[in-house]
Amino acid sequence: SQTIHQWPATLVQPVGSPLSLECTVEGTSNPNLYWYRQAAGRGLQLLFYSVGIGQISSEVPQNLSASRPQDRQFILSSKKLLLSDSGFYLCAWREPGGAYGYTFGSGTRLTVV
Amino acid sequence: QKEVEQNSGPLSVPEGAIASLNCTYSDRGSQSFFWYRQYSGKSPELIMSIYSNGDKEDGRFTAQLNKASQYVSLLIRDSQPSDSATYLCAVFTDYKLSFGAGTTVTVRA
Repeated sequence: SQTIHQWPATLVQPVGSPLSLECTVEGTSNPNLYWYRQAAGRGLQLLFYSVGIGQISSEVPQNLSASRPQDRQFILSSKKLLLSDSGFYLCAWREPGGAYGYTFGSGTRLTVV
Repeated sequence: QKEVEQNSGPLSVPEGAIASLNCTYSDRGSQSFFWYRQYSGKSPELIMSIYSNGDKEDGRFTAQLNKASQYVSLLIRDSQPSDSATYLCAVFTDYKLSFGAGTTVTVRA
């Protein structure tokens, strides 16, 4: 069966510091991968998605970036965090071409101080 | 206009009652529709999917889809305290899943 791992679970970072969040999927090949952010009391905002290694599409221009160095690994990064980057970051995957819903990882709660 | 809109909450229902959640979407080309449940501090969990007009039942949950009206709903029958959560409507269009802001449901004993 497929599983998705996301870490760390919580993170407190100072303004201006770098960020690296990692997500890996097991039990499938060539998944579609997604990064979402959920601000407090708000809906999920799609940040990036990837349909293959090295293929990244950005939904919202901001100081975040994403990379997919391996088939089942998706990384969210920032060189300098802003206060507004605080939120709940969720990685998700789905089978390519499928009409199925996404499966989410357990999320990372980021607080920028 | 937001892509996916849900009826504003919070929604409070007594235990054993029916909770009714509504969702509308803007893109007529949308292909698939989902309901997620999100407990406080946790990630969303897929509970229902529906792809064609009509009703789909799974246990105490019933999803309804009306593509002509661009409307999706979720009914929770015999509501239990464990159903207390935020319910997110999600619509798949082209390449991405767009979410509504969610409706928080509280089931009171």
